[in-house]
Amino acid sequence: DAKTTQPPSMDCAEGRAANLPCNHSTISGNEYVYWYRQIHSQGPQYIIHGLKNNETNEMASLIITEDRKSSTLILPHATLRDTAVYYCIVSLRNDMRFGAGTRLTVKP
Amino acid sequence: DAGVTQSPTHLIKTRGQHVTLRCSPISGHKSVSWYQQVLGQGPQFIFQYYEKEERGRGNFPDRFSARQFPNYSSELNVNALLLGDSALYLCASSFRGRFLPNQPQHFGDGTRLSIL
Repeated sequence: DAKTTQPPSMDCAEGRAANLPCNHSTISGNEYVYWYRQIHSQGPQYIIHGLKNNETNEMASLIITEDRKSSTLILPHATLRDTAVYYCIVSLRNDMRFGAGTRLTVKP
Repeated sequence: DAGVTQSPTHLIKTRGQHVTLRCSPISGHKSVSWYQQVLGQGPQFIFQYYEKEERGRGNFPDRFSARQFPNYSSELNVNALLLGDSALYLCASSFRGRFLPNQPQHFGDGTRLSIL
């Protein structure tokens, strides 16, 4: 079973930051937090991952709370092409257990 | 560089038949995982292989099996197909080394299997 909780859906205005929350209160010390997204009929796309420090790459930023029980994925300037299902996953040995994810809709 | 490639992209079978799905990982990746995604749900983990050995198995019946070849490509086999096996089957590869166990997986676009 997935060990994360995400809101089923969110909306965001185009050009604004999208902040997607994830709760993982039972995360263990060595488990990483991964974020993927899936656009209809494509395979999931890797976005970012981290252990305890905040991470940033060309796609997004990942903010992990100090107690590691929750995290937020930030898309700094959402575009219409960011409309997708976003999955938050915690994993130790690279075996991904996906939940239902958050369906993000970016609106013009 | 080529990403994860899967074949075929679409497949139609009838109940009771068997099917073989194929996956070629990203060059340099030695770990391959298989997932099943039923319409409207997130992907469900089936198998993980690393260095040709099974390293993880999800909650799937014995009708599902897989193997990894010396070139790190992989096959997923499903026997005695049921209507409920209709799904998108995804393959993912990752660079997994002794000191880099948590590298992210990269997914192909899947094989859509329809059972009639």
